[in-house]
Amino acid sequence: DAGVTQSPTHLIKTRGQHVTLRCSPISGHKSVSWYQQVLGQGPQFIFQYYEKEERGRGNFPDRFSARQFPNYSSELNVNALLLGDSALYLCASSFPTAPERGGYTFGSGTRLTVV
Amino acid sequence: AQSVSQHNHHVILSEAASLELGCNYSYGGTVNLFWYVQYPGQHLQLLLKYFSGDPLVKGIKGFEAEFIKSKFSFNLRKPSVQWSDTAEYFCAVMMNTGFQKLVFGTGTRLLVSP
Repeated sequence: DAGVTQSPTHLIKTRGQHVTLRCSPISGHKSVSWYQQVLGQGPQFIFQYYEKEERGRGNFPDRFSARQFPNYSSELNVNALLLGDSALYLCASSFPTAPERGGYTFGSGTRLTVV
Repeated sequence: AQSVSQHNHHVILSEAASLELGCNYSYGGTVNLFWYVQYPGQHLQLLLKYFSGDPLVKGIKGFEAEFIKSKFSFNLRKPSVQWSDTAEYFCAVMMNTGFQKLVFGTGTRLLVSP
């Protein structure tokens, strides 16, 4: 079974630009969550999506948005990039109503650097 | 707001030493508890998890953790560490909020010297 796959693995953007990060969940997992991990800190919850609907949102500005597609893959979009958006962006997939079934599995992440 | 505290930011041990990493959370409701490990250059991997039942949970690679509800704690232990345990360890809590949100601690960086 393929794990959670994220693309790209690394990305460099300029302040003010827009970025799109992509995630494909484990086969059979219908929920995707996004986290931001700034260097030296633990991951911070951004969004959870299930069945193309936002189920939860963390304390992030409206510049951050996401969507989920019918095949359960997801995109995270960040507009008007700031230097402080530089981080590792993690995607996790799970069964939405039973996290103990198969767990909550993270991808390897996309390392975003804003210059 | 819910939070998770990991008291040790950096830990240095010699091989065969015992390990205990502290984790406390602030939330009065039902919680699910996790420990994740992040080896250098690798993604977050689940070490162990607690949902209900026996508060002493055994995970992979000889790790275990004990949930003490009265202390809001979920400390990670290993009787004898190896050089390959060098990694960053994150405690995380999933609250019963109607959706799955993990709240992570700031992590503990463990260095095991051979």
